[in-house]
Amino acid sequence: NAGVTQTPKFQVLKTGQSMTLQCAQDMNHEYMSWYRQDPGMGLRLIHYSVGAGITDQGEVPNGYNVSRSTTEDFPLRLLSAAPSQTSVYFCASRDGGRNQPQHFGDGTRLSIL
Amino acid sequence: AQTVTQSQPEMSVQEAETVTLSCTYDTSENNYYLFWYKQPPSRQMILVIRQEAYKQQNATENRFSVNFQKAAKSFSLKISDSQLGDTAMYFCAFMNGGGTSYGKLTFGQGTILTVHP
Repeated sequence: NAGVTQTPKFQVLKTGQSMTLQCAQDMNHEYMSWYRQDPGMGLRLIHYSVGAGITDQGEVPNGYNVSRSTTEDFPLRLLSAAPSQTSVYFCASRDGGRNQPQHFGDGTRLSIL
Repeated sequence: AQTVTQSQPEMSVQEAETVTLSCTYDTSENNYYLFWYKQPPSRQMILVIRQEAYKQQNATENRFSVNFQKAAKSFSLKISDSQLGDTAMYFCAFMNGGGTSYGKLTFGQGTILTVHP
């Protein structure tokens, strides 16, 4: 049981480049989400999904796109990378039942030059 | 919108001693859940303990316990018999129990805990 798998673990981009951060979970969880972690600010929600075909914006969605075509996968796309998007990105999933905690991936450290 | 505040950016404790990390939150909801997550240098996010707001009894997980004061909107984490492996960033997090924000976590800023030998 792999849990939540994020790829890549590290990435360096140039300003203006695009890329997709991958996230997959094998726990059949309904709920998936993306967070970014910045120093002194904790983790902030970017986008989330409550099931295949359903996505919604979180606290800091600008500059990011998501889609959820399957229960297992929830990729995060940066359309035109900016230095302000330098951060550590976490994908998480949880079962739809109440009080169930989030299960986090190991994170992707992304640097935009 | 909910907010979570951790007022202690850094804490330190001697091995085998007890330390308490503070967390306060603001919400108008009555049904919600609170969590403490640990993030060691490996960057993993590890669930330490959780508390359902409707439960009056404070949650306990081995050396970790919470002091949940619902009226004061306070949720502190007590670590007893501190170990070197407890050195990490600790995040307090809030999750609404229903409505449109169901399932979304709001995090505090984090507290860096260092356990000294």
